[in-house]
Amino acid sequence: DVVMTQSPLSLPVTLGQPASISCRSSRSLVHSSGNTYLDWFQQRPGQSPRRLIYKISNRDSGVPDRFSGSGSGTDFTLKISRVEAEDVGFYYCVQGTHWPPVFGPGTKVDIK
Amino acid sequence: EVQLVESGGGLVQPGGSLRLSCEASGFTFSNYYMNWVRQAPGKELELVANIKPDGSGTYYVGSVRGRFTISRDNPRNSLYLQMDSLRAEDTAVYYCARGFDYSFDSWGQGALVTVSS
Repeated sequence: DVVMTQSPLSLPVTLGQPASISCRSSRSLVHSSGNTYLDWFQQRPGQSPRRLIYKISNRDSGVPDRFSGSGSGTDFTLKISRVEAEDVGFYYCVQGTHWPPVFGPGTKVDIK
Repeated sequence: EVQLVESGGGLVQPGGSLRLSCEASGFTFSNYYMNWVRQAPGKELELVANIKPDGSGTYYVGSVRGRFTISRDNPRNSLYLQMDSLRAEDTAVYYCARGFDYSFDSWGQGALVTVSS
């Protein structure tokens, strides 16, 4: 199976400041179709995961534009331009290019 | 609006059985792959089982193969996970998730399964 890693695993941030999470895969996530199936999920405390970003950089409906995704091949990044209190929680990357889908270990974002 | 509502979680002894259900609404259930994804305490999310839209094909993660059975009833808009020979390491929150375009685009609120004597 593909191995997904994330860094950092813990990210204390200051309100209003930017934050960045890195995700790396053990194999290229470029699918034979040409698409790259790398998503980002947010899990707030006590809630189920919610997809924020799909196919590297596409924001889901209702996701604030302070969230953005980028990257290619094996290296991907989720950025929050200005962290708000409601952004506290865990963030997971997941690859869907190679079966089975594999989630990263998660990054815990909290407020300093 | 897509809604997925799990039920059937609870406390069960090692070696016991439990059946999870997921009732879907807000979309044409029979058109979508469906999944069970679990999250054990302090561990990452893991795809447990997956089923094709017409139920003709399934996938299981190795640790549950032969013990868990995923099924669906399309006229009832329902997904199931029959869990037998449960072990302590199966303790987790189990989420029902819709599959679309190589992704999990909608999730339920989760059902807690605790395997303990």
